[in-house]
Amino acid sequence: GAGVSQSPSNKVTEKGKDVELRCDPISGHTALYWYRQSLGQGLEFLIYFQGNSAPDKSGLPSDRFSAERTGGSVSTLTIQRTQQEDSAVYLCASSFTSGTSSYNEQFFGPGTRLTVL
Amino acid sequence: LAKTTQPISMDSYEGQEVNITCSHNNIATNDYITWYQQFPSQGPRFIIQGYKTKVTNEVASLFIPADRKSSTLSLPRVSLSDTAVYYCLVNNAGNMLTFGGGTRLMVKP
Repeated sequence: GAGVSQSPSNKVTEKGKDVELRCDPISGHTALYWYRQSLGQGLEFLIYFQGNSAPDKSGLPSDRFSAERTGGSVSTLTIQRTQQEDSAVYLCASSFTSGTSSYNEQFFGPGTRLTVL
Repeated sequence: LAKTTQPISMDSYEGQEVNITCSHNNIATNDYITWYQQFPSQGPRFIIQGYKTKVTNEVASLFIPADRKSSTLSLPRVSLSDTAVYYCLVNNAGNMLTFGGGTRLMVKP
């Protein structure tokens, strides 16, 4: 596609319910990243994928959060038993490749606004 | 992790040049300095990246002194549409982007 897409754009759920957030990266991008942004705050890194594997899961805030990526493309971020503090905008980004000594521009999607009542 | 420090907010007027300085005292040898721009209700967008000296593109310039402990993003002749949050980042190993609070730039008519 032309850019990173995310769905849904908005999600309202009740406390305790599970939610799934989807990210479609730019075609051909091997690296995919999830971030969280609370209202008026900077971005918080959650997890990144290189292909289908996740070398760095250090940012996941609790075991209620999980993510997977299949076919080196679409990724799903799942939050189980949602809590009110999970309310935030969840942003996905992709880049052509990842490396440890150089930088590759990350392209961000529009985000999913999650509200937990 | 290299941490960045930048002003919380800045005000400017249309047509002026805006310079936003970022401190990154613990930058590593292999780290790059990157700036992103974020409009409300949108994901961040890459503006410019540099390693040392000066980099210029169609949007901005980035000035990096020899010690690389700071950098300055320069936006020439800003317009109202440049009102946004600007993030300074230092890339660390594994490509995790560590976003600070950013600088909220308000351009006034």
